[in-house]
Amino acid sequence: GAGVSQTPSNKVTEKGKYVELRCDPISGHTALYWYRQSLGQGPEFLIYFQGTGAADDSGLPNDRFFAVRPEGSVSTLKIQRTERGDSAVYLCASRGVAASYNEQFFGPGTRLTVL
Amino acid sequence: AQSVAQPEDQVNVAEGNPLTVKCTYSVSGNPYLFWYVQYPNRGLQFLLKYITGDNLVKGSYGFEAEFNKSQTSFHLKKPSALVSDSALYFCAVRDNTSGTYKYIFGTGTRLKVLA
Repeated sequence: GAGVSQTPSNKVTEKGKYVELRCDPISGHTALYWYRQSLGQGPEFLIYFQGTGAADDSGLPNDRFFAVRPEGSVSTLKIQRTERGDSAVYLCASRGVAASYNEQFFGPGTRLTVL
Repeated sequence: AQSVAQPEDQVNVAEGNPLTVKCTYSVSGNPYLFWYVQYPNRGLQFLLKYITGDNLVKGSYGFEAEFNKSQTSFHLKKPSALVSDSALYFCAVRDNTSGTYKYIFGTGTRLKVLA
């Protein structure tokens, strides 16, 4: 079956611009996560959705970052007034809710470069 | 606070030799531990997990991991390394305290298998 997909795979933008990153989770997965992976680091948690609502957004670095999941499936991570420090790979993951579904399934990521 | 440490930035091993990639953790409560592998320009792929039960967990591609509660370790192992195992490996612990079940990742260990 189809896995988690993310678009675009690469995004180059200029400092100060607005960007949107999209995540399509595995069908039927209600839990969705965004992580950010900087060069040489492990992924760091940004935000978690259970259904349509953001249940935990404690990892968002500041108010320039925002994410939505209006229909409980596709999610969009939005970054306003991008800064060079935002350059990273943004990973999306989804998880089923049955007790056996403990692991998260990751998408290939979006590599964001802010010039 | 929950955390994971991967003390080695890189591990080199000859093809056919056994390999070990180290991981130690610090959690409150029972740990849920995971190993993921990341190939260039690809997302994280799930290898194996420890939730409960046997301390030796078997996973994908011939990998296994040993959970050691007294040493708070969860080292990844494989009896005979392949060149194709060369990749970036991440250990993660699931945060069971907040209800989000987000992952906390280590910084990763690059495995290089030499022909």
